[in-house]
Amino acid sequence: AQTVTQSQPEMSVQEAETVTLSCTYDTSESDYYLFWYKQPPSRQMILVIRQEAYKQQNATENRFSVNFQKAAKSFSLKISDSQLGDAAMYFCAYRTYTGTASKLTFGTGTRLQVTL
Amino acid sequence: NAGVTQTPKFQVLKTGQSMTLQCAQDMNHEYMSWYRQDPGMGLRLIHYSVGAGITDQGEVPNGYNVSRSTTEDFPLRLLSAAPSQTSVYFCASSERGPTDTQYFGPGTRLTVL
Repeated sequence: AQTVTQSQPEMSVQEAETVTLSCTYDTSESDYYLFWYKQPPSRQMILVIRQEAYKQQNATENRFSVNFQKAAKSFSLKISDSQLGDAAMYFCAYRTYTGTASKLTFGTGTRLQVTL
Repeated sequence: NAGVTQTPKFQVLKTGQSMTLQCAQDMNHEYMSWYRQDPGMGLRLIHYSVGAGITDQGEVPNGYNVSRSTTEDFPLRLLSAAPSQTSVYFCASSERGPTDTQYFGPGTRLTVL
């Protein structure tokens, strides 16, 4: 079974600085998807970024980028120029590539605080 | 376009009571799913549906029932509530499957006494 591990329960970053959130996963599959979701205090889950395992290029979305290390099974999220609105829980998630009869497996989350 | 809506937002039940959590989406999405979120556990999949009339179990289905009679609605039924079902419940939908962008509802906070 696939597992997703986020080893940092809490992180803190100053406004305008850069922070990296860690995620590792365990799988025997070669094709899969990885995601980062943001959950602000409103509780709504918001997709931040996604990465297909077959793509070597790291995904980027504005200030958000990932460092995908397939051999190491590592998928970290870098937030540049942090803003107060980035404060939230961040969840890493894994999904197998083929078929619809599959699911997202989530990590336990990292709470990010952004300070002035 | 309301996206994914869930009702109620909060609910308190007594052990043994039954209830239905409602979920609806107006985006004509085929794939819908229910998750529960517990402290320190992340989100865990309860049930999912790949289209009207088709449902399947996730990783924690016991004590829950679902049906998908229309594309828009995917209710989650608690058959006989237990304190272990105290959690926050999220409904999500995506166009075809979980690799598509998933849109989450605002969640339902359920307490079972």
